[in-house]
Amino acid sequence: EPEVTQTPSHQVTQMGQEVILRCVPISNHLYFYWYRQILGQKVEFLVSFYNNEISEKSEIFDDQFSVERPDGSNFTLKIRSTKLEDSAMYFCASRAGLFEQYFGPGTRLTVT
Amino acid sequence: AQSVTQLGSHVSVSEGALVLLRCNYSSSVPPYLFWYVQYPNQGLQLLLKYTTGATLVKGINGFEAEFKKSETSFHLTKPSAHMSDAAEYFCAVSDTGSNYKLTFGKGTLLTVNP
Repeated sequence: EPEVTQTPSHQVTQMGQEVILRCVPISNHLYFYWYRQILGQKVEFLVSFYNNEISEKSEIFDDQFSVERPDGSNFTLKIRSTKLEDSAMYFCASRAGLFEQYFGPGTRLTVT
Repeated sequence: AQSVTQLGSHVSVSEGALVLLRCNYSSSVPPYLFWYVQYPNQGLQLLLKYTTGATLVKGINGFEAEFKKSETSFHLTKPSAHMSDAAEYFCAVSDTGSNYKLTFGKGTLLTVNP
């Protein structure tokens, strides 16, 4: 069964460093999303991506964040200069048609 | 803006007992409603969804949920809990006007006691 994959499963970085979180969506899906979940809090929408551009972003998704689909299979989330408060689980999701989003297992980002 | 409220951050039941996880939503347009389950160290798995049509929807693992517009609720039930049901459950809402982005509740941790 096709699934969304994410790498790495756990990333530890120092404050101020750049990180890139990688996702491989399901191959025939066209819509892509990033969400995050800070420990003990709800899952929050960050950004949606369609047709090689951002279709919507939340207020969390400021200039420190960017997304890219560099090669037609990967979907990446970059944080330019990490802060302590960026520590969270980051989930990638993809969608083919209507409604259902399929989630990856997540990347746990720890900023020290 | 949409929002989801899940009553009870932690629900504990005995094996074989009824599971009831509560979800209320707020949406200015007809909502699409979802329940996701998260097992430890895993991603979010779709349990069931309501889009249109029949208000009682059945999902995987014996779960079902009923959309009640008048109560703005979408509670999740299972007649008989199994140990393997222990997980965190998230209710979520989306709509066509928001790129189908999901707005989640805070989640309910279900514990099943032997």
